[in-house]
Amino acid sequence: NAGVTQTPKFRVLKTGQSMTLLCAQDMNHEYMYWYRQDPGMGLRLIHYSVGEGTTAKGEVPDGYNVSRLKKQNFLLGLESAAPSQTSVYFCASSLDRGGYTDTQYFGPGTRLTVL
Amino acid sequence: RKEVEQDPGPFNVPEGATVAFNCTYSNSASQSFFWYRQDCRKEPKLLMSVYSSGNEDGRFTAQLNRASQYISLLIRDSKLSDSATYLCVVVHYGGSQGNLIFGKGTKLSVKP
Repeated sequence: NAGVTQTPKFRVLKTGQSMTLLCAQDMNHEYMYWYRQDPGMGLRLIHYSVGEGTTAKGEVPDGYNVSRLKKQNFLLGLESAAPSQTSVYFCASSLDRGGYTDTQYFGPGTRLTVL
Repeated sequence: RKEVEQDPGPFNVPEGATVAFNCTYSNSASQSFFWYRQDCRKEPKLLMSVYSSGNEDGRFTAQLNRASQYISLLIRDSKLSDSATYLCVVVHYGGSQGNLIFGKGTKLSVKP
């Protein structure tokens, strides 16, 4: 099992450009999440999905869109990148929601720089 | 008050030392608690869950105090490989933010 994978691993964008980050998991997990991690800010939830075809906003959703067309994939889109979106983006998945079984498995991260 | 608060450290300790981290949470309805470990430039990984009665996994002991709303992580006989950032995670149901709230992490550096 590959677990959770993310592509790309690194990306540099210019302000105003768009891009899509891809997250894939092969553990048949229902729940998937996108976080961003900034120095001194910790992990912040951007969007999440509780199943194929569903998405919901997290703590910091502005400037991002997501889609979950297939259970194993969760896409994060930046329509018009801004320097404030320079961050490390982590995708995660979990089998369950809540309770002691709610272990989240993280991908290796995407380092995005917006100039 | 922030939802989950941790001392950012860094905690610099010699090999073999015992070190303890605390984490406080503000939502009394929180129901599950975890410690995650994050190595430099890597993704977070689950270290251990925290049970009401406290639990131990080798050199690691986690405690929960619901009355005071804090959890703790004790590491005995520190190893160089324990150097990492330890994230406190609190789970509560409902709301629009998903259900896991991460602390900002406590950095541990174990020196020879």
